[in-house]
This record gives sequence, C-alpha cells and structure tokens, in this order.
Amino acid sequence: GESVGLHLPTLSVQEGDNSIINCAYSNSASDYFIWYKQESGKGPQFIIDIRSNMDKRQGQRVTVLLNKTVKHLSLQIAATQPGDSAVYFCAETVVGYSTLTFGKGTMLLVSP
Amino acid sequence: GAVVSQHPSWVICKSGTSVKIECRSLDFQATTMFWYRQFPKQSLMLMATSNEGSKATYEQGVEKDKFLINHASLTLSTLTVTSAHPEDSSFYICSARDLGRDTQYFGPGTRLTVL
Repeated sequence: GESVGLHLPTLSVQEGDNSIINCAYSNSASDYFIWYKQESGKGPQFIIDIRSNMDKRQGQRVTVLLNKTVKHLSLQIAATQPGDSAVYFCAETVVGYSTLTFGKGTMLLVSP
Repeated sequence: GAVVSQHPSWVICKSGTSVKIECRSLDFQATTMFWYRQFPKQSLMLMATSNEGSKATYEQGVEKDKFLINHASLTLSTLTVTSAHPEDSSFYICSARDLGRDTQYFGPGTRLTVL
C-alpha cells in the first residue's frame, strides 16, 4: 500500500543551526499533514500541521512546507536547540478519515 | 489544552497474566481513540481504532481477542492485553481525536514488559 517515507534517518546539527527534516508521501489523496516530535520514552507531541490548501505554515521557531506537486513535506526548525533532539515523524491523512499514516521517523541530534 | 494521559506509565508482569492500560482525554471529548504499538527505533503501528459506544476496529494482523479495547465514555478508552507473553512486550501509545478536528493528540505511552 501507499506509505509515507523519510529521506534521512538521522540528522546531526550544531546548536543554533537551522534544521530541515524532509518527508515524502505517496498518497495523492492525503490532504492533511502533521509533524510530531517524540522524545525517548515518551509519546509523540504535536508540533504543527498543514492542510493541502496551503503550502507554508509557520509556528514558533518551526515552519512546515508542503509541495503537492512532488508530494514532499518538510519541517524547518530555526535556531535549533539541544532540547530539540528527538525523533520527528510526519503523518498524513485524509480529512474526515480518522487514521493517520506515519513516516519512518528522523532522529535529530543537536550538539551544544 | 488537548492533554491525553495514560496509566500506568510502565508495567512488568508475568507471562500468562492480563494487563489493562487506560487512556484518558483530560480536557476534551474524544469520540475516537487509537491504540498504537511501537518497537524500539521504529515508527508507530496502529493496532485499532476505538469509537465511543461501539466495537473497536482492528488493523489486519491484530488479534482482537488478545487485545481487548473498550471505549465506554468520551474521555476513556482501555486496552487489555490478555494472557500476555514476552513477545507482547512493547511500548503502547494511545491517541485521541478532538471532536470536530482531525488532529490526534498522543498519550505519554505505557512500557509493557512481560517476563
């Protein structure tokens, strides 16, 4: 079946750098996307979401970009901090259909 | 807002016993709750979707008689792992969907270890 995948399993950055985490999705029917952050031993934490009628959405230090043409999603974290170290998952769904499909996850490692 | 709790956070049990995990939405009503299983360094695997007042919908390959789900109210769903065995050891995570929204909010997870 269709699935969401990630290009980079591990991303290492220095504190203060900007981080970009990528996600490719294959279900062209998906119209709602969410980024989650999961710290070790904890449940996923909602970061930011975006609907398919938008191509960019900004939050506090985070920006999500959606390129529907190439079915690509990215999460940008500005001024990355050690506390941002975690696994980041993208998830996709169709509005009104409750099930989320998760990507494989990217480990972000931030060095002081 | 949108806080989901799980209890217990961790549990160790003997093989053959049953374990119940609770999932609560604390500040919103959740008509739909979800149960996931996660192995180390892997993504979340959906086990079942639980709708308040009706039977849960299980994903392919998940034994409904082994993983009993009850969603008795708009704020509580329970997962009971019956006759647990070591291969059931895993990290179980629930999520809840806010009524009228598409976003799922996750609980902190329950680490189950079966000896």
